[in-house]
Amino acid sequence: AQTVTQSQPEMSVQEAETVTLSCTYDTSENNYYLFWYKQPPSRQMILVIRQEAYKQQNATENRFSVNFQKAAKSFSLKISDSQLGDTAMYFCAFLRTSGSRLTFGEGTQLTVNP
Amino acid sequence: NAGVTQTPKFQVLKTGQSMTLQCAQDMNHEYMSWYRQDPGMGLRLIHYSVGAGITDQGEVPNGYNVSRSTTEDFPLRLLSAAPSQTSVYFCASSYSGQGRVNSPLHFGNGTRLTVT
Repeated sequence: AQTVTQSQPEMSVQEAETVTLSCTYDTSENNYYLFWYKQPPSRQMILVIRQEAYKQQNATENRFSVNFQKAAKSFSLKISDSQLGDTAMYFCAFLRTSGSRLTFGEGTQLTVNP
Repeated sequence: NAGVTQTPKFQVLKTGQSMTLQCAQDMNHEYMSWYRQDPGMGLRLIHYSVGAGITDQGEVPNGYNVSRSTTEDFPLRLLSAAPSQTSVYFCASSYSGQGRVNSPLHFGNGTRLTVT
């Protein structure tokens, strides 16, 4: 079974600064997807970024980028130029390419301070 | 498109009561699923379905039933509510092919359930 671990329950950052959220996972699969989801206080789950394991290039979406280290089974999220609206719970998630179950980490509560 | 619609948004039950959480999507997604979110535990999969008439258990299925009679709807039934089922419940859907999820999940806005 796959496991996803987010070792930082809480983090904070000053507005306009950069922050990195950590995620590690355990799998014997070679092909899979990794995701970061954001959950603001509204409780809505919003997809931030997605990475396919077969792609060596790290995914980027505007201010959000990942550092995907397949051999180390690490998938960190970097948020540049942090904004107050980035305050949310962030979840890392794993999906086998051949699977139908998304496995989530415990979440990291990020607070952006003015 | 309304996306994924969950009702109700909030619910309080007494121990032993039953209820159904409703989930509907209008994106013609084959795959639908139910998660529960508890502090410090992330989201855990309860049940899922890869198409009408097909359901399967997830990580924490005990105490819950599901059915999938149509592509659009995937209700979650609590047969006899227990305080341990106090949680926030999310329904999510996605395109899938051959029983495999192949696109990101779209989530509903969640249902906060309290069992006293």
